[in-house]
Amino acid sequence: ETGVTQTPRHLVMGMTNKKSLKCEQHLGHNAMYWYKQSAKKPLELMFVYNFKEQTENNSVPSRFSPECPNSSHLFLHLHTLQPEDSALYLCASSQDEGGTYNEQFFGPGTRLTVL
Amino acid sequence: AQKVTQAQTEISVVEKEDVTLDCVYETRDTTYYLFWYKQPPSGELVFLIRRNSFDEQNEISGRYSWNFQKSTSSFNFTITASQVVDSAVYFCALRPGSARQLTFGSGTQLTVLP
Repeated sequence: ETGVTQTPRHLVMGMTNKKSLKCEQHLGHNAMYWYKQSAKKPLELMFVYNFKEQTENNSVPSRFSPECPNSSHLFLHLHTLQPEDSALYLCASSQDEGGTYNEQFFGPGTRLTVL
Repeated sequence: AQKVTQAQTEISVVEKEDVTLDCVYETRDTTYYLFWYKQPPSGELVFLIRRNSFDEQNEISGRYSWNFQKSTSSFNFTITASQVVDSAVYFCALRPGSARQLTFGSGTQLTVLP
């Protein structure tokens, strides 16, 4: 595997389900991100992790719960979602060094549909 | 606050035509970075270019070229001799020099017709 991978690529879930999205980066980067891309809206940053520590949480509802067990893996745990949470969820990674934040590389995304 | 505006929602061109995608940004930071990403139908955002605010030199990479003009806060992207494979959504993005957060524009859907 190369670059940034995400599984599953497609997910359909009911509002009472619990599911998790997985992201893995094979680039040796130290920062990872979750973005949400809804129809007709700009990409929204949800969470940022640097060296496994969460550094940003952009007012995301608690029904989204991130987890970063190491600098290569990032999860997004989902529970009691709403239909308006249906979107493409994109993971990204970057190599940040000494205050220099480099370009982010994105995975293919998980297309989530909440019924 | 950061803002990126891509006024062109959709553009259609015929193969081999040149096309320019516009990007206008707003920021109070003196140091910042500008990016272009391509999102084909598969969904993955593909990084195309990064420019920093101190480097206004235009750049050319094959059929792609970028025109950065600080005076008009614009960072436009031109594809020369477009091809069907260029069909995608193109996003312009801005990041302050001191932070990781990328602010994306709403994207331009480019369709290149054979």
